[in-house]
Amino acid sequence: QSVLTQPPSVSAAPGQKVTISCSGNSSNIGSNYNYVSWYQQLPGTAPKLLIYETNKRPSEIPDRFSASKSGTSATLAITGLQTEDEADYYCGTWDITLSAVFGGGTRVTVL
Amino acid sequence: VHLQESGPGLVKPSETLSLTCTVSGGSIISGGHHWSWIRQYSGKGLEWIGYIYYSGSTFYNPSLRSRVTMSLDTSKNEFSLNLSSVTAADTAVYYCASKRGHNWFDPWGQGTLVTVSS
Repeated sequence: QSVLTQPPSVSAAPGQKVTISCSGNSSNIGSNYNYVSWYQQLPGTAPKLLIYETNKRPSEIPDRFSASKSGTSATLAITGLQTEDEADYYCGTWDITLSAVFGGGTRVTVL
Repeated sequence: VHLQESGPGLVKPSETLSLTCTVSGGSIISGGHHWSWIRQYSGKGLEWIGYIYYSGSTFYNPSLRSRVTMSLDTSKNEFSLNLSSVTAADTAVYYCASKRGHNWFDPWGQGTLVTVSS
């Protein structure tokens, strides 16, 4: 049972937009000083950093990927969906129990 | 910075799981990196195990603290994980990673599958 809650799967056609929610509570995402990160895991590979400090992209990540946070939830958006975006996506943050915590992952399927 | 895990893929119940992560492309004693271990169950479910700083200070997941030990070998530019008294529930892919800034992880090693079975 993951600390953060994500939908198991989302899907859309190429070129469309998908959003992935990540729900936590006041002990983690809702804490003022906690930032959210997002990771992309392609089949058979390790997770890769997609978003850090809630809404910042590493230089190599295309701007089709964006993220935000409101209250105790965070959202990852992928616009202009491409077949190469088929992967599992995970959110992560820090918890007041002094642990890094993650969501259970969301499978993105490009129809 | 590139990370690579190594260690046995099969560990017997009640024994100690030992893994090493070799750091290349940078020094393990450079600041800004908290050298971490994370595990993943059956393709999903990420669990943070803990981290060790270049100074040797450690910070472990409270749920695993009683069984976890991490260490550094600066001469080999590598860090290690020991997890004692393993059970089948410890079967997972183990990743080493660097915790940066406000608690994001980058980069990650490729991961190594550890199965606990007699």
